[in-house]
Amino acid sequence: SAVISQKPSRDICQRGTSLTIQCQVDSQVTMMFWYRQQPGQSLTLIATANQGSEATYESGFVIDKFPISRPNLTFSTLTVSNMSPEDSSIYLCSVWGRANTGELFFGEGSRLTVL
Amino acid sequence: GQQVMQIPQYQHVQEGEDFTTYCNSSTTLSNIQWYKQRPGGHPVFLIQLVKSGEVKKQKRLTFQFGEAKKNSSLHITATQTTDVGTYFCAGINTNAGKSTFGDGTTLTVKP
Repeated sequence: SAVISQKPSRDICQRGTSLTIQCQVDSQVTMMFWYRQQPGQSLTLIATANQGSEATYESGFVIDKFPISRPNLTFSTLTVSNMSPEDSSIYLCSVWGRANTGELFFGEGSRLTVL
Repeated sequence: GQQVMQIPQYQHVQEGEDFTTYCNSSTTLSNIQWYKQRPGGHPVFLIQLVKSGEVKKQKRLTFQFGEAKKNSSLHITATQTTDVGTYFCAGINTNAGKSTFGDGTTLTVKP
């Protein structure tokens, strides 16, 4: 398994502001994944962050709204830009296990409330 | 795109009763995974099934992967209050290189 630290764990934000979420992994990983979990809903993949290249975004998510950085093999950030109440969600960072067989390990999540 | 459907959405059981959640994919899967999310927590990996018809057990939990690799189930025998949470399946299509999560089944257990 991997140990993933995410911060902030929660925040209350004002409409129109931006917030950056940080994700730190205890080992080097090729890919890091950012998920969104809206209240009472399932997990939706926002993007895959690869070190040294631009993130790959899923349908419905764009770089201007969710810019991602991946400066090294253990760290990534996700910014939620120009927030609206619809962005109130849990944002989760995840990585594959060390065996690289596809199982995902998640950080504890960042619970954002936008007023 | 790939869709993964999960039923039921909610299940309320008396402690000691059994529980089953079912997962169906619109496409053939390479693998399927199961996760558990406790209330207020994050998803935790339980198991991965790879082979057609595979059955795996973890104590009171039994996981099955369908012969056609398009469906799966998780069965809990004699539920306990510690089993409460939301159980998600995730279908893996290695061609796409990513996981698609089902909507989850939320289990509540009445003592």
